[in-house]
Amino acid sequence: AQSVAQPEDQVNVAEGNPLTVKCTYSVSGNPYLFWYVQYPNRGLQFLLKYITGDNLVKGSYGFEAEFNKSQTSFHLKKPSALVSDSALYFCAVRDIGGNNRLAFGKGNQVVVIP
Amino acid sequence: GAGVSQSPRYKVAKRGQDVALRCDPISGHVSLFWYQQALGQGPEFLTYFQNEAQLDKSGLPSDRFFAERPEGSVSTLKIQRTQQEDSAVYLCASSPQGGSNQPQHFGDGTRLSIL
Repeated sequence: AQSVAQPEDQVNVAEGNPLTVKCTYSVSGNPYLFWYVQYPNRGLQFLLKYITGDNLVKGSYGFEAEFNKSQTSFHLKKPSALVSDSALYFCAVRDIGGNNRLAFGKGNQVVVIP
Repeated sequence: GAGVSQSPRYKVAKRGQDVALRCDPISGHVSLFWYQQALGQGPEFLTYFQNEAQLDKSGLPSDRFFAERPEGSVSTLKIQRTQQEDSAVYLCASSPQGGSNQPQHFGDGTRLSIL
């Protein structure tokens, strides 16, 4: 089955510093990759996706992600973190089976320190 | 426009009771998904509908779990004879008809607690 791994549990970053949240994937065939953010007691909000094309994907709220095929990675980045970016971030990959269901990583808690 | 709406937001039930969770997808969205999110984990796929057809129910953990979408819009996830391990947040997501490049739009979930 397709899967993603988010190796870190928590990412701490000072406000204004660059933010990176790591994700690696394991797929057969071409990967369809997604990033979502979850605030407390809320559902998941879509940030960005990689389907094909340019390896640098730009998304919502100033986030971007870089697809790296040789390293099987899809790290989420933001040049300057805001306190309001503190949340839970999930990487996901379209699973096999043809129904577009998503397989999620375990999530990374991001804490932006004022 | 309106997003995916789920109700109730919180549900407390005693072990052995039956519960029903409702999902109202974005109008016109063909695909509907149910996920289960345990505490501290990522969402896990439960089942998938395309219109009223349930095309994949491979993620349902047992035959106590049942989902339906009879008119191709609102969906209900039913859990019979609930057990403590059913405690989780149940998320519903919908997406437009199309290929796999369409992002799924999630509701805020129903937090189910089984006592």
